[in-house]
Amino acid sequence: EDKVVQSPLSLVVHEGDTVTLNCSYEVTNFRSLLWYKQEKKAPTFLFMLTSSGIEKKSGRLSSILDKKELSSILNITATQTGDSAIYLCAVAPTGNQFYFGTGTSLTVIP
Amino acid sequence: DTAVSQTPKYLVTQMGNDKSIKCEQNLGHDTMYWYKQDSKKFLKIMFSYNNKELIINETVPNRFSPKSPDKAHLNLHINSLELGDSAVYFCASSQWERQLTDTQYFGPGTRLTVL
Repeated sequence: EDKVVQSPLSLVVHEGDTVTLNCSYEVTNFRSLLWYKQEKKAPTFLFMLTSSGIEKKSGRLSSILDKKELSSILNITATQTGDSAIYLCAVAPTGNQFYFGTGTSLTVIP
Repeated sequence: DTAVSQTPKYLVTQMGNDKSIKCEQNLGHDTMYWYKQDSKKFLKIMFSYNNKELIINETVPNRFSPKSPDKAHLNLHINSLELGDSAVYFCASSQWERQLTDTQYFGPGTRLTVL
């Protein structure tokens, strides 16, 4: 059965800390892995990683895909209170299916 | 311009009622989805339509019936609502290609409360 597991489930850090969120997956015919940030509204897209694009960076956020280990990490450096959110990982095998992990709840305190 | 819109934003209703949630996207995408997010924030896919054809139907009670009148719309009808149906329902859309553009764009969500 295809599945996506994220860890930790929740995380509390102080502003300025660096955090690493993990996502591991077991899917057949992997095509892409996506990271989303969800605050009080709908998830917003952060990164998409594929076999041809295994590392992405945007400002303080970066993500790496390890196809050998079937996992991905999302790094956030110099965290700010605005980074507080649930971070969702989703994996797309072939076709139009998306499997979401349970998310990591990040709280950044001043 | 709103890319993916849902109505209503909030829906409070009694057990046993029938209700519908509407979703529209103006992105020209050919694939639309319905997700349920429960109180634990777990996001689970319910249905996926590609060019008005149902392609994913996860283990969802048959009280839930999606309707896609055209590529830009995917409505969710729920019969005989139960307490456990209380959740936030998200609509999303994407362009399905054999390449790699898998990005899904989400609507704002509909918070359903069943009393």
